[in-house]
Amino acid sequence: DTAVSQTPKYLVTQMGNDKSIKCEQNLGHDTMYWYKQDSKKFLKIMFSYNNKELIINETVPNRFSPKSPDKAHLNLHINSLELGDSAVYFCASSQGGFYNSPLHFGNGTRLTVT
Amino acid sequence: AQSVTQPDIHITVSEGASLELRCNYSYGATPYLFWYVQSPGQGLQLLLKYFSGDTLVQGIKGFEAEFKRSQSSFNLRKPSVHWSDAAEYFCAVGDDSNYQLIWGAGTKLIIKP
Repeated sequence: DTAVSQTPKYLVTQMGNDKSIKCEQNLGHDTMYWYKQDSKKFLKIMFSYNNKELIINETVPNRFSPKSPDKAHLNLHINSLELGDSAVYFCASSQGGFYNSPLHFGNGTRLTVT
Repeated sequence: AQSVTQPDIHITVSEGASLELRCNYSYGATPYLFWYVQSPGQGLQLLLKYFSGDTLVQGIKGFEAEFKRSQSSFNLRKPSVHWSDAAEYFCAVGDDSNYQLIWGAGTKLIIKP
């Protein structure tokens, strides 16, 4: 059983398009996250939801909008895609605070904007 | 501001040799310390964590790490590496004063046959 699953695994699209990435966790965790990993492997947190409530919203263009329909799902919608959005996006979950609880990551979505 | 430094961008080790990956942090109090591993094309997986207590912690896959407060370090070790250990390793430090999790830039481990 996959603990944190995200789809799609690869996403190739053109500039200006709108796309979504879906994430689901079956661990019963109360907190979910979106991370962005750039080409140099640097990890940057984008958003965090606790029990469907947004608790972290880092400096991210407002073209990125997370949506959490329930505790087990956190989707990421991106409008008007730009070349600089190309990266690997990871969904993660934890039970409790993200700074003091282990994170469980999905396998990532590699987004390529052409 | 708090920071996490992994001084080695990449390390090459022969299979069967010992390994030490370095992690240094700047933080006043005792932080929450983590090591994660990212295999190619995969997400990150927790190797081990330190919150308090015994400063030598054991993790999965035969890894261990030692917290040294005096050196602000949390180095990861393995006595004998296997080819399957080739991956990117990330150190992360949790800060409960401003609720941040700060990531190192990662160290790529290359295994020589």
